[in-house]
Amino acid sequence: QQPVQSPQAVILREGEDAVINCSSSKALYSVHWYRQKHGEAPVFLMILLKGGEQKGHEKISASFNEKKQQSSLYLTASQLSYSGTYFCGAGGGSNYKLTFGKGTLLTVNP
Amino acid sequence: DTEVTQTPKHLVMGMTNKKSLKCEQHMGHRAMYWYKQKAKKPPELMFVYSYEKLSINESVPSRFSPECPNSSLLNLHLHALQPEDSALYLCASSPEGQGRETQYFGPGTRLLVL
Repeated sequence: QQPVQSPQAVILREGEDAVINCSSSKALYSVHWYRQKHGEAPVFLMILLKGGEQKGHEKISASFNEKKQQSSLYLTASQLSYSGTYFCGAGGGSNYKLTFGKGTLLTVNP
Repeated sequence: DTEVTQTPKHLVMGMTNKKSLKCEQHMGHRAMYWYKQKAKKPPELMFVYSYEKLSINESVPSRFSPECPNSSLLNLHLHALQPEDSALYLCASSPEGQGRETQYFGPGTRLLVL
């Protein structure tokens, strides 16, 4: 079942913060975050595993609330290079399937 | 090296043509994937190969035929496609094919069916 992402789109000025949410009605074993720029392949950002954790990579971090079946991606002090569509992918426990949400279009303006 | 390569980058084909898409990785990964992505939509899983065996076929029409000649290569054979099959076709790989693994995507082949 496809995870639900919100918001669908967000526009920021450089330096502002944003939060993108991903929720599922089914049990989440892992959450995968990707960013895709127009005309390019999805680029892996981070993966969060069941057990509830938070990860960070420079100014991009994410949390995974297992009880609520939710994950959030935090982008702080946004840069122009952050622009793109962000997808969360719901991963199964032992199977191979990754189901992506519809995506959140993030636009960072100067 | 975390690179997945795909050829060709672009492909235009008629509905009666036969063509193939190729994907290669040299990361020693044992799982490889084909996704289809339409404009402004998320990638949709088509096939998964694990240890060179087809493990998932997401009810894909038979005009798409996957092949995994060895652990580094993945092909997608196309025959008698329809215009609605025009899309970006993405290949990905992961170490073992577990849901907890990172999938690394190739740059994709942009397919146009006339």
